[in-house]
Amino acid sequence: LAKTTQPISMDSYEGQEVNITCSHNNIATNDYITWYQQFPSQGPRFIIQGYKTKVTNEVASLFIPADRKSSTLSLPRVSLSDTAVYYCLVGGPYSSASKIIFGSGTRLSIRP
Amino acid sequence: GAVVSQHPSWVICKSGTSVKIECRSLDFQATTMFWYRQFPKQSLMLMATSNEGSKATYEQGVEKDKFLINHASLTLSTLTVTSAHPEDSSFYICSASLPPYQETQYFGPGTRLLVL
Repeated sequence: LAKTTQPISMDSYEGQEVNITCSHNNIATNDYITWYQQFPSQGPRFIIQGYKTKVTNEVASLFIPADRKSSTLSLPRVSLSDTAVYYCLVGGPYSSASKIIFGSGTRLSIRP
Repeated sequence: GAVVSQHPSWVICKSGTSVKIECRSLDFQATTMFWYRQFPKQSLMLMATSNEGSKATYEQGVEKDKFLINHASLTLSTLTVTSAHPEDSSFYICSASLPPYQETQYFGPGTRLLVL
């Protein structure tokens, strides 16, 4: 199972673009890259998922280079409400045979 | 779509009692659900994989006799913490993967357990 490495914490200001990079050197051919957001005392919330190149949705973009050994979550124009822990997860499809390992996550703090 | 609920959202119990936590997939059928535990300021730790109609698969170090998991239907999995002790106090979160491809996990809101 591919292990992920992320920065422990990041700080930014409202209105800025924030990029969080995740390293996953041992990613397998059929693994997807998924990012989750977690607020205190809540379950993780799905943000975005991709397999290769670039994926964009209404809240974020995900950039995946050709070798897929890393990925970057991009949050455009962050606000105070984006303060949370962000987890990068590599794996899938998740079935009874799957193991899921959460990394340490990145604690993002947004300041006014 | 892909909503997972948990009940209760928080529970306080006395040491030595048992507590049951329910995890439901509200708008899809989940053949596999997962149970996690999260301590303050730490990441999620997988406890076990719950399979509908069969025994759960526990991660190393998780006591199967203490954390009983039942997955009786395609929309419900339960975690029972038996003979709870203060060290079992934690945030318990379940998740389910969305068929048919199952490459995405959807998480419940979590259950805060406090054992006195």
